[in-house]
Amino acid sequence: QQQVKQSPQSLIVQKGGIPIINCAYENTAFDYFPWYQQFPGKGPALLIAIRPDVSEKKEGRFTISFNKSAKQFSLHIMDSQPGDSATYFCAASSHNYGQNFVFGPGTRLSVLP
Amino acid sequence: EPEVTQTPSHQVTQMGQEVILRCVPISNHLYFYWYRQILGQKVEFLVSFYNNEISEKSEIFDDQFSVERPDGSNFTLKIRSTKLEDSAMYFCASSEDRGSKLAKNIQYFGAGTRLSVL
Repeated sequence: QQQVKQSPQSLIVQKGGIPIINCAYENTAFDYFPWYQQFPGKGPALLIAIRPDVSEKKEGRFTISFNKSAKQFSLHIMDSQPGDSATYFCAASSHNYGQNFVFGPGTRLSVLP
Repeated sequence: EPEVTQTPSHQVTQMGQEVILRCVPISNHLYFYWYRQILGQKVEFLVSFYNNEISEKSEIFDDQFSVERPDGSNFTLKIRSTKLEDSAMYFCASSEDRGSKLAKNIQYFGAGTRLSVL
């Protein structure tokens, strides 16, 4: 129940494409869903986050779509750039169960020039 | 921009030795965390710390692990007797707030310490 599933494992797109990364969860107590971006040799950095009371959140070229009934959420990267090449992790937490994040297994994104 | 700093960036140790990984959280943050990431795998929660005590820990965080805030700025993770399977990247994180229905749970991560147990 604490698991967060993420797909695909890896993704290759051309510059300007719109990669979409999908995550799913089971624990309905989760109420905070961040996406983290990690470059090689660096720690994860918060990209964008959403709460289940909204269905979409957009920050710059990054958009989260959230489907509460399906318990799924996804990250869309508009006009992707080679600099977006990184590993992306979705995560979930619940204020009822403490502060720790449950991370998905990650998606390695490569944006070709 | 304030950041979480971790030292050393890479630690090599022999199996059975004790290691201490060090972290300096962001100065006004009150909640501190350790996560680990085995090479190629997902980030896993180890422990959270608030008000000088552990607030939550995972199954991974057994008696070989301990955390401490020895002074007002440092936050350490000690592994008492390292095993080969402890080889991983260890991330420290901190947050200003615990996270609630109203407040965001924004955790800031350090660059990590790569622990290699030989």
